[in-house]
Amino acid sequence: GAGVSQSPSNKVTEKGKDVELRCDPISGHTALYWYRQRLGQGLEFLIYFQGNSAPDKSGLPSDRFSAERTGESVSTLTIQRTQQEDSAVYLCASSSSTGGYGYTFGSGTRLTVV
Amino acid sequence: AQSVTQPDIHITVSEGASLELRCNYSYGATPYLFWYVQSPGQGLQLLLKYFSGDTLVQGIKGFEAEFKRSQSSFNLRKPSVHWSDAAEYFCAVVPDNYGQNFVFGPGTRLSVLP
Repeated sequence: GAGVSQSPSNKVTEKGKDVELRCDPISGHTALYWYRQRLGQGLEFLIYFQGNSAPDKSGLPSDRFSAERTGESVSTLTIQRTQQEDSAVYLCASSSSTGGYGYTFGSGTRLTVV
Repeated sequence: AQSVTQPDIHITVSEGASLELRCNYSYGATPYLFWYVQSPGQGLQLLLKYFSGDTLVQGIKGFEAEFKRSQSSFNLRKPSVHWSDAAEYFCAVVPDNYGQNFVFGPGTRLSVLP
């Protein structure tokens, strides 16, 4: 597609439920990133995929968080047993290469845990 | 510790006034440098980026930024602010040519007075 697409745009879930957030990167972009942005705060790196290499998971805050990506296509971020502190906007970005060239953000998924 | 700092949490300027948003980084090598803008409820939009060469870079919406190696800074400027520029501005760094992810500053919120 023309841009990075994220779905859903908004998600309200009950505490303890699992949620899946989807990111559809720009076609041909080999790199994909997930970030979290809590209300009034900056962006927090979560995970990075580059082609078929092992992902960089160093930013995942707990083992309740996981992400998958098959090849250079869609990625899914899963949060298990959601907590209220997971409420945030989850942003996905894709890039045509490492180093930041052509790095484009999606509009995010706003997750609210009640 | 390696980091990106934006000293000003919130700046208020009058419409038509000039603007400078500060950004400093603490990486040893010259990183790739970026400024993003995030309007309320929106995703991040790239304003400009610096990789190498001319240290004064021009971006969209009339913004420019100057890289100063001696000061480890990459300040964003605009000569005349418009009300539509009210948003959150993030400085971001890819630490080196092989960087795998962006490191974002905490952001500066810009308010514009009529």
